[in-house]
Amino acid sequence: EADIYQTPRYLVIGTGKKITLECSQTMGHDKMYWYQQDPGMELHLIHYSYGVNSTEKGDLSSESTVSRIRTEHFPLTLESARPSHTSQYLCASLPGTIYNSPLHFGNGTRLTVT
Amino acid sequence: KNQVEQSPQSLIILEGKNCTLQCNYTVSPFSNLRWYKQDTGRGPVSLTIMTFSENTKSNGRYTATLDADTKQSSLHITASQLSDSASYICVVSAYTGANNLFFGTGTRLTVIP
Repeated sequence: EADIYQTPRYLVIGTGKKITLECSQTMGHDKMYWYQQDPGMELHLIHYSYGVNSTEKGDLSSESTVSRIRTEHFPLTLESARPSHTSQYLCASLPGTIYNSPLHFGNGTRLTVT
Repeated sequence: KNQVEQSPQSLIILEGKNCTLQCNYTVSPFSNLRWYKQDTGRGPVSLTIMTFSENTKSNGRYTATLDADTKQSSLHITASQLSDSASYICVVSAYTGANNLFFGTGTRLTVIP
């Protein structure tokens, strides 16, 4: 089992609310990622970080922001949730490089915006 | 364009039977290819990694193959069990680019008794 934790597991909120999805890992990995996964679709990279105070946007523009103040913590914030944000959000970390290490995924947060 | 295509999209087999999942890719320059298993409600977990020089690799009842010339990989599952029911995702990494991981859409496997 990977030591990467996401909370909450499920979240139902109304349009316009601000929410933060939590992701923590206890493995000391420098690289962390947020992916969005819809049924039958490939994972889309939203944000990634190569270490403390390093964050970058991925291919998918999701009107979200991330922060990396501590190595083990990589929260994702939606300032104003919309129904189009309804999806599964997966957090992952990487111990070394993609050339020799697999991504370690959390179990995801299933978000529904009504 | 870097792409990863998987087939079939879904598959239903009887417990104890074998099956083969396919992954074709156009990612370049190729670094490695991983197969992940994703149980319902869980995050993906790595099964195998294939590098350019590897043709076959086994992990228990899972055997992955790679043909780097034709840019094809397969995942063969032997003597399927009910616990094999999951989505299987092919992920190809490239040597260059900041975002250099490319995901397939997965094959949804259902094993029935």
